[in-house]
Amino acid sequence: SQTIHQWPATLVQPVGSPLSLECTVEGTSNPNLYWYRQAAGRGLQLLFYSVGIGQISSEVPQNLSASRPQDRQFILSSKKLLLSDSGFYLCAWSRGRIYGYTFGSGTRLTVV
Amino acid sequence: TQLLEQSPQFLSIQEGENLTVYCNSSSVFSSLQWYRQEPGEGPVLLVTVVTGGEVKKLKRLTFQFGDARKDSSLHITAAQPGDTGLYLCAGARGSGGGADGLTFGKGTHLIIQP
Repeated sequence: SQTIHQWPATLVQPVGSPLSLECTVEGTSNPNLYWYRQAAGRGLQLLFYSVGIGQISSEVPQNLSASRPQDRQFILSSKKLLLSDSGFYLCAWSRGRIYGYTFGSGTRLTVV
Repeated sequence: TQLLEQSPQFLSIQEGENLTVYCNSSSVFSSLQWYRQEPGEGPVLLVTVVTGGEVKKLKRLTFQFGDARKDSSLHITAAQPGDTGLYLCAGARGSGGGADGLTFGKGTHLIIQP
C-alpha cells in the first residue's frame, strides 16, 4: 500500500531563517506531488506541483521554492522566512486528479 | 478568486439529525471530490464524482454532482459525533488524469453534539 510521510510535524522558526520541509512517498512510482498551504479562513492554496524528477510548476509567486531530487521525494524550501509564511503545509500525491489526493499529516509552521 | 463556495461555513447540530452542505461554483469541473479533515491532520478523500447528476452513497453520506457539473452537495443522515470535522470540496478542471492541482473550497466546519 502507498504511504506518504511528511516532517517535521511542527516547526517554530525566526523571521529570516531558512526552511526545509520534506515529503516522501512509498509504495508507488512516478507520483504527481503537491505542496499546499492551509491558512485559517483561506482554504487550501496550491503552492507547487511536480510530475517528475526535477519538474516543478509554481502556482503562486512567493518566498518559497520546491525541488524534487528523487522520484518520491518532494522538498519545500525558503532562504529567508517571512511572518506571512506561517501556516499549515500539506504534501500530497496523486496518480491524476480524478483519483484524488492522498495527503500527508501536515507541518504546522510558525514564524516568529 | 474563490472558485468554489461552500455553505454553510459552520454547522453545529445534535446527534441523530440530518444535514446537507453545499459546494457551488460558476465554473464547470470535470470532477469534484469531497474530503474530511480533522484538526492537525491532512484531509482524507471521501469520494470523487465525475458525471453530471451522479449520486454516490458512502454509508450515511450521500454525495451528488450537479447536472451542469458546477455544484455538489453532501448529505449526512443521522449524524454522529464521529462525523465532526472540516468537510472540503475540491474541483478539477480539464482532463481527469491531469496533474495540475485541484481547487479547494474553504470548507464547512461541522460539529455533531452528543
